[in-house]
Amino acid sequence: DADVTQTPRNRITKTGKRIMLECSQTKGHDRMYWYRQDPGLGLRLIYYSFDVKDINKGEISDGYSVSRQAQAKFSLSLESAIPNQTALYFCATSEPTGQGYNEQFFGPGTRLTVL
Amino acid sequence: KNEVEQSPQNLTAQEGEFITINCSYSVGISALHWLQQHPGGGIVSLFMLSSGKKKHGRLIATINIQEKHSSLHITASHPRDSAVYICAVGAYSGGGADGLTFGKGTHLIIQP
Repeated sequence: DADVTQTPRNRITKTGKRIMLECSQTKGHDRMYWYRQDPGLGLRLIYYSFDVKDINKGEISDGYSVSRQAQAKFSLSLESAIPNQTALYFCATSEPTGQGYNEQFFGPGTRLTVL
Repeated sequence: KNEVEQSPQNLTAQEGEFITINCSYSVGISALHWLQQHPGGGIVSLFMLSSGKKKHGRLIATINIQEKHSSLHITASHPRDSAVYICAVGAYSGGGADGLTFGKGTHLIIQP
């Protein structure tokens, strides 16, 4: 079984709809991240969470919100979806090494299309 | 904010060729990551390094901290190496949880 899972894997929705993307992990990591990937722009950080009580905005958090329901679950919500939120979304987890940097483990991605 | 530049953006080569992908960044980092993304979209971590050189099979990654530059080499390339290779840098995390800053990726195609 995959260590980091995302649901749904694909979603088509309409402008103005609320949508939630879910991420679950069995790695036991405290740190979780949401990224989006757009052609030609690479991956960009939306939100990250240090633990259940610590949630931080990333580079492009406008239009998104998150919820860390448990150590293993980190959800991303689009309150009112718009077409330029069409992208591939990745969840990732990490655990700090002794030298203070984090190897990241990615989920399989969710392809979201907003019409 | 760290700027991460990769080159080339696209690379097509013949099977067996030696491949080099370059990455440069603008601000000092704690670690640099090389990631691989296959056409299905999944992302796999290949290397994480903060100094020197690492080798896994036919893949070699090097980093020069003073020059803020890293290279990913593939020896004896094979069509199954065809993928997008992404360089990403991480700030020193300490007690923080900063995510990565990514390059735009290098799209590699190895022809039989």
